[in-house]
Amino acid sequence: KAGVTQTPRYLIKTRGQQVTLSCSPISGHRSVSWYQQTPGQGLQFLFEYFSETQRNKGNFPGRFSGRQFSNSRSEMNVSTLELGDSALYLCASSLGRGNSPLHFGNGTRLTVT
Amino acid sequence: QKEVEQNSGPLSVPEGAIASLNCTYSDRGSQSFFWYRQYSGKSPELIMSIYSNGDKEDGRFTAQLNKASQYVSLLIRDSQPSDSATYLCAAYTGGFKTIFGAGTRLFVKA
Repeated sequence: KAGVTQTPRYLIKTRGQQVTLSCSPISGHRSVSWYQQTPGQGLQFLFEYFSETQRNKGNFPGRFSGRQFSNSRSEMNVSTLELGDSALYLCASSLGRGNSPLHFGNGTRLTVT
Repeated sequence: QKEVEQNSGPLSVPEGAIASLNCTYSDRGSQSFFWYRQYSGKSPELIMSIYSNGDKEDGRFTAQLNKASQYVSLLIRDSQPSDSATYLCAAYTGGFKTIFGAGTRLFVKA
């Protein structure tokens, strides 16, 4: 069974630009969660989608947005990039039940210069 | 107050010893708990899930949950240098949101 696939693996952007990250979940998983990981803050929850609906959102500014498609693939977008947005962005898929563990992709390393 | 707290370490143990990793959580409504291992430069991978009070064993790993004390632990028996990584404790707090601790760095010395 293929794992969670995130593209691209690495991105370098300049301040003010926008970026779109993509995530394809494990086959059969309908929930996709996004996390930001930085050395200082650890793993911070961004949002969770299930069947194209956002069910929860973390404490991030509105510049961070996401969506999920009918095939469960998900994208997240960050607009007006800031230096502080440099981080590893991790996508995780699950069956979407409360006791379902998350399965992570390899992440997208975003560097904002 | 952080919702899931872990000692950041580093925790250093000799090869063959038992490594004990601890975690506390603040939300009494938390239902499910997970331990992940993250090697440097890699993404987290699931080691154990635990849902009810008591111990759960899987190979060299034992997870322990005490809901009354809001405490979760992970024991690694016969620690190997390949176990050197950051271990993340996570709790499903409801609302389709899993919260992670900051992680404990473990070093196993050969």
